[in-house]
Amino acid sequence: KAGVTQTPRYLIKTRGQQVTLSCSPISGHRSVSWYQQTPGQGLQFLFEYFSETQRNKGNFPGRFSGRQFSNSRSEMNVSTLELGDSALYLCASSFLIEETQYFGPGTRLLVL
Amino acid sequence: EDQVTQSPEALRLQEGESSSLNCSYTVSGLRGLFWYRQDPGKGPEFLFTLYSAGEEKEKERLKATLTKKESFLHITAPKPEDSATYLCAVRGTGRRALTFGSGTRLQVQP
Repeated sequence: KAGVTQTPRYLIKTRGQQVTLSCSPISGHRSVSWYQQTPGQGLQFLFEYFSETQRNKGNFPGRFSGRQFSNSRSEMNVSTLELGDSALYLCASSFLIEETQYFGPGTRLLVL
Repeated sequence: EDQVTQSPEALRLQEGESSSLNCSYTVSGLRGLFWYRQDPGKGPEFLFTLYSAGEEKEKERLKATLTKKESFLHITAPKPEDSATYLCAVRGTGRRALTFGSGTRLQVQP
């Protein structure tokens, strides 16, 4: 069974721009969660989607948003990028909410 | 607020030298404790899920145990390929999202 896939794998943007990251969950998984990983803060939860609805949200500003499609694929968007948004963005999927999550390889975002 | 503290931050072992990693947690109603392994530049790889105190799970050279306040990841006779960062996370009844610890960087030298 194919794992979680994320595109693109690497991205370079400049301050003020916006970015959209994509995540395809494991086949059959309906829950998708997004995390930000930085050396200073570690892994921090952004949001979780199930059946196209946001079910849970972390403590991030409104510049961070996401959505889920009917095929369970998910996208996250960061608007008005700041230098501090440079991080590894990880997507994780699970069959249902509150089950074991399986992570993708991540998208490394560099904001200049 | 859910909290997870992992120790030590870094650990260097010789090949074959067994040791344990610690994950101390504070959570309102544990709904699961998770161990992941992460290699540099990659996403975390799932290892174990534990749900209740006294539970143990094993996989090759790794064994995870759980008490009401902490979890241990025991590594028996490690090999260089076990070198990675090991992450612990909890899910509680309150927040429901995973809360991660900062990880233990393990280096196994041949």
